[in-house]
This record gives sequence, C-alpha cells and structure tokens, in this order.
Amino acid sequence: EAQVTQNPRYLITVTGKKLTVTCSQNMNHEYMSWYRQDPGLGLRQIYYSMNVEVTDKGDVPEGYKVSRKEKRNFPLILESPSPNQTSLYFCASRQWSDQPQHFGDGTRLSIL
Amino acid sequence: DAKTTQPTSMDCAEGRAANLPCNHSTISGNEYVYWYRQIHSQGPQYIIHGLKNNETNEMASLIITEDRKSSTLILPHATLRDTAVYYCIVRVGGQGGKLIFGQGTELSVKP
Repeated sequence: EAQVTQNPRYLITVTGKKLTVTCSQNMNHEYMSWYRQDPGLGLRQIYYSMNVEVTDKGDVPEGYKVSRKEKRNFPLILESPSPNQTSLYFCASRQWSDQPQHFGDGTRLSIL
Repeated sequence: DAKTTQPTSMDCAEGRAANLPCNHSTISGNEYVYWYRQIHSQGPQYIIHGLKNNETNEMASLIITEDRKSSTLILPHATLRDTAVYYCIVRVGGQGGKLIFGQGTELSVKP
C-alpha cells in the first residue's frame, strides 16, 4: 500500500531535549515536505526536498533541521525544542511537479 | 500562487450532493486547481485536481468555469464520513511542492 509513515505519532518532551521525527515514503517520490499545523494559522511549510541531498527552507524553518540522505526518508530534527514548537506536524511526498501530495497521519508534539 | 476564497462552512443532508464553491479570480494559465480535505486532525487527503477541463474520479467531480476564475467540487452522494474541512488550492507546478492552505470550508453532513 502506498503510504507516508511518520513516527512517533505522539510525543511529549521537555525544552532543549533533541528529538527527531522520522518520515518514510514507499512510492519512490522525489519531492518531500514537512508542514506544521496550528489553530488559526493553517498548514505552513517548514522545509522541503526535491531529491536526495537537495533541501530548502519553507516558510517557517527556524528551529528545525532536515536531511535527505536516501530518497525514501526525510527526518525532521529539532535540536533544541522550545514550547513554541508545540504543534501538529505532517510529512508529505509527491512525484512530479503537478502531481498531488500524499500526507502522513501526523505527529503531535508537545514541548513543555 | 493565486488566492482562493471559500465559504467558511456549509451543511449538506446525507445522500444529497454536496457542492463546494471556490473563487480563484487571479488564477493564471499554468496554475492547477487542487482539492484536499482534512478529517479531524488527520493528514490532508487529496481529492481531485484539474487545469481547464472538468474532472471526475471515484471520490468527486471538479467543475471549472470556462474563464477558470472559479470551480466547484461535487461530492455526488454525501455520507457522514464526508464531514471534513475542504481546501481549494491553486498552484503552479514546481516551487518545491509547497501547497498554501487557506482556511477551507467546513462541511457538515447531517443525517
């Protein structure tokens, strides 16, 4: 089954403790993205990647890092999480430019 | 990317067609119209997309006006499980795959 898998689905942690949210897709897609969703602000893109070793900033990249060492994986790294990064996070992937994106089920992060 | 305008909320009776409008008066010739929906806090789900012609798939139909300044998503026989927030997005290909989600239309399907 074609899917985008995120882990963990839920995480409660404390300020400053490094964490990684993994994202994996099994559709051989070139493009992958990370979004965060906050009430009243909708979904906003954090980072995206057009292929292996090619990444770029989205609209809200501050406080986040990403890497794309393999085509299928696109982890989101919070080196020193802060409470304002408490949010619902989605990973997405797609094939060519005009093709629709497939989203993961989301990761709900709470930073205390 | 062109701005879209959608009603904040709509109701639909179960079994009836749900017609969700979207205005995108500043759309340019190479921008596609996409529709996604989000049920509760699940990941957005792709529904349908089109450029000029009307499109139909197993989930819905997309009707785009001839001047392309507006479109309508049609769910032919709405069920309670179609209750969700529906997003209309226009986007040029490329640009890193960014989708700009507005506030969308909250569709409530009622028994």
